[in-house]
Parts: sequence; structure tokens; C-alpha cells
Amino acid sequence: EIVMTQSPATLSVSPGERATLSCRASQSVGSNLAWYQHKPGQAPRLVIYEASTRATSVAARFSGSGSATDFTLTISSLQSEDFAIYYCQQYHKWPRTFGQGTKLEIK
Amino acid sequence: QVQLVQSGAEVKKPGASLKVSCKAFGYTLTTYYTHWVRQAPGQGLEWMGIINPSGISRTYAQKFEGRVTMSRDTSTSTVYMELTSLTSEDTAIYYCAREAAAQDEGLDVWGQGTTVTVSS
Repeated sequence: EIVMTQSPATLSVSPGERATLSCRASQSVGSNLAWYQHKPGQAPRLVIYEASTRATSVAARFSGSGSATDFTLTISSLQSEDFAIYYCQQYHKWPRTFGQGTKLEIK
Repeated sequence: QVQLVQSGAEVKKPGASLKVSCKAFGYTLTTYYTHWVRQAPGQGLEWMGIINPSGISRTYAQKFEGRVTMSRDTSTSTVYMELTSLTSEDTAIYYCAREAAAQDEGLDVWGQGTTVTVSS
């Protein structure tokens, strides 16, 4: 199975600053990569799909980039509501696999 | 309004079986894939499997093969996930989520989650 590795495990950033989260696949997944935001007590929320396409109603400060094995989620100016755990997931091959998550916390 | 509504919290004994439902509102179940994902306490998201729009084809994560069954009732727009031979390691929040038929747009709608506790 494709192993997804996210870094860092925890990222401490101040509101208004930029956050950059990384996701690496153990083999190429093309552009078949999604990012999800997950807050405690809530269902995960789709943020980015096809590596760089923002999901419906997602703020423009979220952007995704990358292809093949290396991907990045960037949040340009962090708002209070952005602090959460972010997961990448590949949908290139079965089984669909998630990364272990990056916790984005307030500095 | 497009949404997935899951059944309520469950407490099960080790060795028992679990069946969680996921009812679709605001869209046609037969035009979307439905996935099941779980999150154990303090852990990340874990993909369990998928049932296709027709309800005929299913793909399960190898970890759950032999223990999980996903099914669908189109008359009630409901998808089910059954998990047998429960252990404490199955204690988790279980989510259903939909994916468009083209399978290139991610999981865009999620259920609210069903908390399952396995304890003697």
C-alpha cells in the first residue's frame, strides 16, 4: 500500500502568518491527493482535491501544490478557525491511505 | 440540503457485532460512492472501505477483510457498515463520506460520526 508521510507532526504558527504543511507519498500518486481539515468533535472537511483544487466554500488563503510524491498545503494568513489537524489522503491506488496528520496549533 | 446522517452512539461487548447506518439526504445515493473512515482515540484517520454507486462492488482495506461488510438500501437511501468480532481496538468514531462517481474530487460530504465503544 502507499504510505503517506506528513511533516511536521505539529506546527506552531501565529495568527496572520503563513503555514506550510508537507505530505510525501511512498510512490507516485499523480495528482490524486486530497487535504482534509479536522477539528475535535466535528467531521473532517475537504479542503483541497486533485492536489491543488480548492473545495467548495474553502477560503482562497488555502492553496495546494505538488505532484507525484511531494505535496504542500499552504495557508497564507492564518485565521483562528484554521487551527486544526490536517490530513492528506491519496486516492490513486487501493487502499486509500491517509497521512498521520499535522496538528496546526496557535503559537 | 446535502447531508449524511449517521446512527447514534453504540456500546458493545468484545466479540459482538456492530452495524452503523448512514442516511443520505439531498442527493441520489446511486450516483455517489460511499466510504467508511474511522478514528480511534488519539489516532489519525483510517480508511476502511468503499461501496460503489450501484451497491454491487465493494473494496475493503485488507486490515478489515473478513470482518467488515458494507451494504446499501436504495429504498431508504441508507448505507450500512457492519463490523464483526469486535475488540477494544475497534473503539473509535466511525464516519461515512461520499465521493463523486468520477473519483477525482475527494470526500466532499461527511456524516457527523458514530462513536463506538467496545468494553466488557
